Amino acid sequence: DIQMTQSPASLSASLEEIVTITCKASQGIDDYLSWYQQKPGKSPQLLIYDATSLADGVPSRFSGSRSGTQYSLKISRPQVDDSGIYYCLQSYSTPYTFGAGTKLELK
Amino acid sequence: QVQLKETGPGLVQPTQTLSITCTVSGFSLTSYYMQWVRQTPGKGLEWMGFIRSGGSTEYNSEFKSRLSISRDTSKNQVFLKMNSLKTEDTGVYYCARDPGGHFDYWGQGVMVTVSS
Repeated sequence: DIQMTQSPASLSASLEEIVTITCKASQGIDDYLSWYQQKPGKSPQLLIYDATSLADGVPSRFSGSRSGTQYSLKISRPQVDDSGIYYCLQSYSTPYTFGAGTKLELK
Repeated sequence: QVQLKETGPGLVQPTQTLSITCTVSGFSLTSYYMQWVRQTPGKGLEWMGFIRSGGSTEYNSEFKSRLSISRDTSKNQVFLKMNSLKTEDTGVYYCARDPGGHFDYWGQGVMVTVSS
């Protein structure tokens, strides 16, 4: 199984910062990587797919990138509404696997 | 517009079978893979399996032979059945639409508690 090591587990950021969350895959996943945001009591919502493509309706302050087998989600000048838990998902091979999540608090 | 909604029993006794229905609208099940994901306190988000647009299935071996996914395209419904439930199966179960390796629409989820 492909392991997705997500970091950090939590972070607190100001509205002027650039927030970066990373997921490192245990092997190559050919950019079959997507990012999701989950708010309390809600289902996850797609942000980024194919590592770098922005999902419909998602603000352009969200972006995705890759360096080797490490994938990153960047939020530029986050808004208060961006608080929540962020997950990565690899869909390169089954069993698909999620990262453990990053809890983002905006201050 | 695209909508997905899970319906299920809420409470299931240990060793019994869980049955959840995902009813969709706004798209055809014959054009998309449909995924099942659960979220448990012990393991977080966990991929369970999918049914392809053509109707074949693939499952997470973690669930061994306990899990079955099927559909009724005439009713726009996808079904999850899992037997031999344990308390560790308590969690929220989601269906999601997959247009190609990512999950673009999710249902609201259904909370399932396994308890006697």
